[in-house]
Amino acid sequence: NAGVTQTPKFRILKIGQSMTLQCTQDMNHNYMYWYRQDPGMGLKLIYYSVGAGITDKGEVPNGYNVSRSTTEDFPLRLELAAPSQTSVYFCASSLGQGSLGQPQHFGDGTRLSIL
Amino acid sequence: EDQVTQSPEALRLQEGESSSLNCSYTVSGLRGLFWYRQDPGKGPEFLFTLYSAGEEKEKERLKATLTKKESFLHITAPKPEDSATYLCAVLRDSGYALNFGKGTSLLVTP
Repeated sequence: NAGVTQTPKFRILKIGQSMTLQCTQDMNHNYMYWYRQDPGMGLKLIYYSVGAGITDKGEVPNGYNVSRSTTEDFPLRLELAAPSQTSVYFCASSLGQGSLGQPQHFGDGTRLSIL
Repeated sequence: EDQVTQSPEALRLQEGESSSLNCSYTVSGLRGLFWYRQDPGKGPEFLFTLYSAGEEKEKERLKATLTKKESFLHITAPKPEDSATYLCAVLRDSGYALNFGKGTSLLVTP
């Protein structure tokens, strides 16, 4: 059982380039999330999805786009990369929210540097 | 605005020396408080969810407790393999995002 898988693990981009961070989960979770983690800061939510075809912005969505065409996959797109997007990106998934918050399960992250 | 503050920022313990990590929070309508462990180069690993004041959860050497304003993660007789960063996060009733604290970096020496 792989859980949440993120690719690539590391990437260096030049300013202005674009790329897609891949995330897939095999737990049949409806909810998926993208967070970024900067040194000395808590994780911040970029985008989330409550099911295939449904996405919404989180706290820090500027400069990013997402899509959710299947339950399993939730790619994050960076357009026109900027140095401020240098960070570690984590994808997470959860079974649902319901009346009690379900725990979110995280991948091992993509470490992205913009130079 | 929701706030999550963890203390201390860093903690060094000797093997077997018990201690507690603190997570103070303010949130409008708490749906759940979550504890995660994060090892270097890895994603957060889920430990516990606490839903209401007075609730306690245990797993091996770890015990999490919750009041209306804070949560504690008690570590009893820690071992070097307990060294990691411990993250606290809250989920509000009306939200989807976990609001994370900055974490406590724990180092347990032999």
